[in-house]
Amino acid sequence: GENVEQHPSTLSVQEGDSAVIKCTYSDSASNYFPWYKQELGKRPQLIIDIRSNVGEKKDQRIAVTLNKTAKHFSLHITETQPEDSAVYFCAASGSSASKIIFGSGTRLSIRP
Amino acid sequence: GAGVSQSPSNKVTEKGKDVELRCDPISGHTALYWYRQSLGQGLEFLIYFQGNSAPDKSGLPSDRFSAERTGGSVSTLTIQRTQQEDSAVYLCASSSYGQDYEQYFGPGTRLTVT
Repeated sequence: GENVEQHPSTLSVQEGDSAVIKCTYSDSASNYFPWYKQELGKRPQLIIDIRSNVGEKKDQRIAVTLNKTAKHFSLHITETQPEDSAVYFCAASGSSASKIIFGSGTRLSIRP
Repeated sequence: GAGVSQSPSNKVTEKGKDVELRCDPISGHTALYWYRQSLGQGLEFLIYFQGNSAPDKSGLPSDRFSAERTGGSVSTLTIQRTQQEDSAVYLCASSSYGQDYEQYFGPGTRLTVT
């Protein structure tokens, strides 16, 4: 079955700097890769997703890249701000009949 | 429109008792998911419904856990003979189609087994 590994588990960056979180997956049939943000005490919310027919997607300060050959994808946050502090989860999913697997999460802290 | 709702928001139960957790998905969403999140931990997949059927139940931790969905809408997660290690936040999510679409999460039910 699918296995998703996420690194690092914790990340601290200076406000204004960039943050990168990386995930690898095992099932080559996976074709959907969402990223969720969970603020303290709140529910996870989708911030960006990418499908396997695209190599990169950007939304303002957030971008995701996908390397299908190497089976890894990354989240990039530029010009980090205090409100970016949260836990970020990557995930990988195959067909609609297969279960989605989440990474273990990255706790991102933005230092003022 | 209304988002995903879950009830109760908090549940404290004694070890050995049964509990039922309820999830009301977004109207029209065919897919529904249950996850478990222990304090400071990640999202543990439990079960996924497409309509009323569950293509994958392999995430359920033991046979004490079961879930059903009726009418393609409301779902209940039942934990029998609760144990202390069952204490966690149980999150429900729904999506418009399958696993390759955005999931909308509910606020969760915090279960504490004493």
